[in-house]
Amino acid sequence: QVQLVQSGAEVKKPGSSVKVSCMASGSYAISWVRQAPGQGLEWMGGIIPMFRTANYAQKFQGRVTITADESTNIAYMELSSLRSEDTAMYYCARKFELGWFDPWGQGTLVTVSS
Amino acid sequence: DIQMTQSPSSLSASVGDRVTITCRASQSISNFLNWYQQKPGKAPKLLIYAASSLQSGVPSRLSGSGSGTEFTLTISSLQPEDFATYYCQQSYDSPWTFGQGTKVEIK
Repeated sequence: QVQLVQSGAEVKKPGSSVKVSCMASGSYAISWVRQAPGQGLEWMGGIIPMFRTANYAQKFQGRVTITADESTNIAYMELSSLRSEDTAMYYCARKFELGWFDPWGQGTLVTVSS
Repeated sequence: DIQMTQSPSSLSASVGDRVTITCRASQSISNFLNWYQQKPGKAPKLLIYAASSLQSGVPSRLSGSGSGTEFTLTISSLQPEDFATYYCQQSYDSPWTFGQGTKVEIK
């Protein structure tokens, strides 16, 4: 059974960076999806650990970096230049080749506040 | 980017009702359409992939149909555990995009 376990909640100052981890039970393609309070789901980017290549949504290009450590099956999402609008729940999810996401991690709440 | 539009944004229904949620894509996406359920404070859960394939463990009262630009998620007989928010997601082209969600509430 595939499981994804994410790191704990973070509180960050505007302008700083946050790095969220996602530990998987195996080597899988991982995507990151965020959800602002009361809002919908937004895909940020993803990575295939075997190929060590990441792709990103244009909206986050230049501000997000997704990496993966194949030896530990941990994926990371780092978001820089944080602003209040980045306050959201951040989810990792396994991405299947034909594009659906399953399962999802439990989510990591990132709060950006001065 | 491919825009996904769900309707309605919310609905009120009673236990036992038949419920249909529609998802429209801004361009043809063949059958690259997936549905998720999200309950408050929880991560989304995959229900249906490739427009009509039921994910393992999902009750058969849920079904999906459609292709091209118009898709539907149907719950044949609404149960208490079905009250949640439902999202469609296209997996035809990156960036993978979601509908805005449909909240199903108790009447």
